[in-house]
Amino acid sequence: GAVVSQHPSWVICKSGTSVKIECRSLDFQATTMFWYRQFPKQSLMLMATSNEGSKATYEQGVEKDKFLINHASLTLSTLTVTSAHPEDSSFYICSAYDRVEKLFFGSGTQLSVL
Amino acid sequence: AQKITQTQPGMFVQEKEAVTLDCTYDTSDQSYGLFWYKQPSSGEMIFLIYQGSYDEQNATEGRYSLNFQKARKSANLVISASQLGDSAMYFCAMRASSGGSYIPTFGRGTSLIVHP
Repeated sequence: GAVVSQHPSWVICKSGTSVKIECRSLDFQATTMFWYRQFPKQSLMLMATSNEGSKATYEQGVEKDKFLINHASLTLSTLTVTSAHPEDSSFYICSAYDRVEKLFFGSGTQLSVL
Repeated sequence: AQKITQTQPGMFVQEKEAVTLDCTYDTSDQSYGLFWYKQPSSGEMIFLIYQGSYDEQNATEGRYSLNFQKARKSANLVISASQLGDSAMYFCAMRASSGGSYIPTFGRGTSLIVHP
């Protein structure tokens, strides 16, 4: 299947710092990528839809200024958690449809804010 | 609005037996896609199987098959010959149009435990 690469796999940071998470489609072009947050033993919660060359579409309740999304190319979307706090600690995962419209995921990023 | 319902929070199955994980969906679209994913404790979302709404045959991928009943709007996952490594969370998902975009919709998931 298609490959979506996500880095880093885990990150520990101090409160107040910013963390950038990258999501790359390795063997296909993705004009749209999706960013999710997942709490333990719960389903995926869509945070935003990342659109290449335009602004991301955020879900209701997601702070745009805290979770900055940039989709500068057809193969790369980034999520930056700005001024991270302990409540931002979570599992973040990205996904994209491949050329035959099957949905593939990155491996996820576990963020821990101290 | 699109909706996926997984009514089984947890399932237990004995090794080597078959198990069915339930999924029902709701959409007004004629063209849509249905997916199943496995999420082990490592967190990665592993693509298992896909069924298009116009596919006449049920999808199969190795030990996984999707029992697609369009009229009943159900897309159950059948795992044959369960293995200990199948223990994980399983999510059913749908791709359908929502105001022109194709945002995937996920169910709450089913936790499968395979015991020896």
